[in-house]
Amino acid sequence: GEDVEQSLFLSVREGDSSVINCTYTDSSSTYLYWYKQEPGAGLQLLTYIFSNMDMKQDQRLTVLLNKKDKHLSLRIADTQTGDSAIYFCAESNTSGRDDKIIFGKGTRLHILP
Amino acid sequence: ETGVTQSPTHLIKTRGQQVTLRCSSQSGHNTVSWYQQALGQGPQFIFQYYREEENGRGNFPPRFSGLQFPNYSSELNVNALELDDSALYLCASTQHGELFFGEGSRLTVL
Repeated sequence: GEDVEQSLFLSVREGDSSVINCTYTDSSSTYLYWYKQEPGAGLQLLTYIFSNMDMKQDQRLTVLLNKKDKHLSLRIADTQTGDSAIYFCAESNTSGRDDKIIFGKGTRLHILP
Repeated sequence: ETGVTQSPTHLIKTRGQQVTLRCSSQSGHNTVSWYQQALGQGPQFIFQYYREEENGRGNFPPRFSGLQFPNYSSELNVNALELDDSALYLCASTQHGELFFGEGSRLTVL
């Protein structure tokens, strides 16, 4: 079945780059997403990439997709204390009747001073 | 601000009781989805409604049911609550392929 895997924790020094990695199993994925969740809050869509793209850049965020290896990464440049949150990798397959999103368990990003 | 509001924000129930969670979204958001997020886990798809009809369902038992109303509001009902139903329940509405999530309703079952 569909599955999304990501490491649970990442610690990064303020000002450094953070790289969060994710692997997925559904070869029919259409969209791949990165969501951010701050404590006590809902999910905020950070960015997404179509499965026919290799890379997408949006200000401090860079998404890389290796479709052959089913590997997705999110790079946050110049990491700030406000980036401290849980980051969820997710995928969806729009060929079905619904557009459900399959989420990973989330990577908790901790910023070191 | 996503335009998706959920109520209540927190509630406590006991095992065996029933609960109704509510969600309202912006006009024109025809699709609403519900997700369950257990502690330390990613959100799990419960079901989706499109134009007041169920349009897809995840791996959840029939005691999880839903409704969508013409005014773009929606309900999630859970009967015969179990301890493992304790979670954050997220509602999301879809417009132009993008999901807009509410802040969630945190349910604790004792």
